[in-house]
Amino acid sequence: KAGVTQTPRYLIKTRGQQVTLSCSPISGHRSVSWYQQTPGQGLQFLFEYFSETQRNKGNFPGRFSGRQFSNSRSEMNVSTLELGDSALYLCASSPVRVGTDTQYFGPGTRLTVL
Amino acid sequence: AQSVAQPEDQVNVAEGNPLTVKCTYSVSGNPYLFWYVQYPNRGLQFLLKYITGDNLVKGSYGFEAEFNKSQTSFHLKKPSALVSDSALYFCAVRVGLMDSNYQLIWGAGTKLIIKP
Repeated sequence: KAGVTQTPRYLIKTRGQQVTLSCSPISGHRSVSWYQQTPGQGLQFLFEYFSETQRNKGNFPGRFSGRQFSNSRSEMNVSTLELGDSALYLCASSPVRVGTDTQYFGPGTRLTVL
Repeated sequence: AQSVAQPEDQVNVAEGNPLTVKCTYSVSGNPYLFWYVQYPNRGLQFLLKYITGDNLVKGSYGFEAEFNKSQTSFHLKKPSALVSDSALYFCAVRVGLMDSNYQLIWGAGTKLIIKP
């Protein structure tokens, strides 16, 4: 099976812009979770989508949003970018809800906000 | 507050020696615990998990971890380190009381350096 794929791999934006990141889970996986990874804060949970519904959300402002399509592919959107949004954004898929079984991670999207 | 801690930012071990990467947790109820590894410029890879059963869990690449309920710890171990084990290691624990609010909280990560 193909692994989790994320596009684009690298992105450079300026403050105030918005960005959309894409994640394609492993075939058959219904759960997609998003994480923000920064050197100072480690790995922070953004949200989880399962069967096209957001099931849980981390402690991030409303500028961070997402959605999941019927084929389980997921997108994450960040509006009004701030310098502090520079990070590696990781997507993980699982056949079941997060925390119950193994999550499979994509390589991440490196977002740089100038 | 529910939390997971990796008290060491970095662990240095000589190749061939045993290694331990520490993880302690504070959660309500029975914990679900995970270890993941991240190699440079790559996503995280699953190593092992504890949900229930035997306290000693064996995982990928020769790693194992011991669940210790009294010490609320889940330390990662390997009897003989390889240079290729050098990477960033994350411990994670599931929190939430019901299906609707499960999520994983993560330790800050421990950089493991294996010297030849």
